[in-house]
Amino acid sequence: QVQLVESGGGVVQPGRSLSLSCVASGFTFSHYSMQWVRQAPGKGLEWVASISHDGKREFYAESVKGRFSISRDASRNTLHLQTNSLRVEDTAVYFCARHTMPPTVDGVDVWGRGTTVIVSS
Amino acid sequence: DIQMTQSPTSLSASVGDTVTIACRASQAISNYLHWYQQKSGKAPKLLIYAASKLQSGAPSRFSGSGSGTTFTLTISSLQPDDFATYYCQQSDSLPITFGQGTRLEI
Repeated sequence: QVQLVESGGGVVQPGRSLSLSCVASGFTFSHYSMQWVRQAPGKGLEWVASISHDGKREFYAESVKGRFSISRDASRNTLHLQTNSLRVEDTAVYFCARHTMPPTVDGVDVWGRGTTVIVSS
Repeated sequence: DIQMTQSPTSLSASVGDTVTIACRASQAISNYLHWYQQKSGKAPKLLIYAASKLQSGAPSRFSGSGSGTTFTLTISSLQPDDFATYYCQQSDSLPITFGQGTRLEI
């Protein structure tokens, strides 16, 4: 069964850090690019970051560039998102998702359930 | 960045109706366009990929069309389970961008 399970969310003060993880199962993790997508309360979907299948290329949304870092551990089938210098506007549910780098006709067919990050003083 | 604009942002309909949601890209994106359904508190679910291809497991009452900058999602014979929020998404280039969503209400 193809599955992604996120963890690491929580409540954190502005300026602090949080490390999110996503464990993949049911497919060959090293064959796929991966991404994080977030959704602020009551808002739409926002792409955050992507990483290539081999971990050599990383891409970030302007809103998180320089503060967030995406990485992957092939030995543990795990995707990470290190979130630093958090802001109130980073409050969101963070989804991990399997990915094909653009341009692609592939939609995002595998999503995790999400982990919630709340940034509040 | 490619901007995706959906219309309408909300829509009221009844069981059995046929509804259409539009999505416009700020520049041509060929058929690199996908549609998702999202219910409250859940992850998005892929319905249509490559503008018009039905994702495995998605009901056949969902259909998509379009190319270039203008796309549509049509839901025929609405079922109670279809009342949700729908998003379009482009995969032509990074940053990946989504439409603002269309909330389909009873």
